[in-house]
Amino acid sequence: DIQMTQSPSSLSASVGDRVTITCRASQSISRNLNWYQQKPGKAPKLLVYAASSLQSGVPSRFSGSGSGTDFTLTISSLQPEDFATYSCQQSYTTPLTFGGGTKVEIK
Amino acid sequence: QVQLQESGPGLVKPSETLSLTCTVSGGSISSYYWTWIRQPPGKGLECIGYIYYSGSTNYNPSLKSRVTISVDTSKNHFSLKLNSMTAADTAVYYCARVVVTPLYYMDVWGKGTTVTVSS
Repeated sequence: DIQMTQSPSSLSASVGDRVTITCRASQSISRNLNWYQQKPGKAPKLLVYAASSLQSGVPSRFSGSGSGTDFTLTISSLQPEDFATYSCQQSYTTPLTFGGGTKVEIK
Repeated sequence: QVQLQESGPGLVKPSETLSLTCTVSGGSISSYYWTWIRQPPGKGLECIGYIYYSGSTNYNPSLKSRVTISVDTSKNHFSLKLNSMTAADTAVYYCARVVVTPLYYMDVWGKGTTVTVSS
């Protein structure tokens, strides 16, 4: 299985901050990388697919980049509704696997 | 817009079989892949497996011996059976739609259903 490692596991930030979350794959996955946002008690929501394509309806302050083994999700200006857990997921090969998540908390 | 709804028992006894159904509304189950994903309390997401509307399946090897995913296009739903349940299978179970073009990703999710394994 391809292991997905996210860092940090949690972070504290303020509204308006620029936030960057990193995801590393245990082997090259080209651009087969998706990002999801999950709020407590809710289902995950797709933010970015194919490493850098923004899902319809997702605010432009979210962006994704990377290829191969290293990927980032950036929130350019953190908003109150962005406090949540973010997970990456590889779709290069089965089984599809997720990172452990990064919890973004209010400073 | 497409919506997914999981249904099934919230409590399962150890060694018994879990049966969940995901009903697709607002769209057809045809021409898509569909998946089951679970999340144990306080842990990350795990893909259980997925099924094409035609019936072809792909299971996570870690669960393959215990899992069956099936589809009923006439009822516009797909189902999960997981046998020999243990406490380690306690989790929130989600169903989701899988888009495969250009690459695989899950774009529509159900709200999830909590399954507890306990006697």
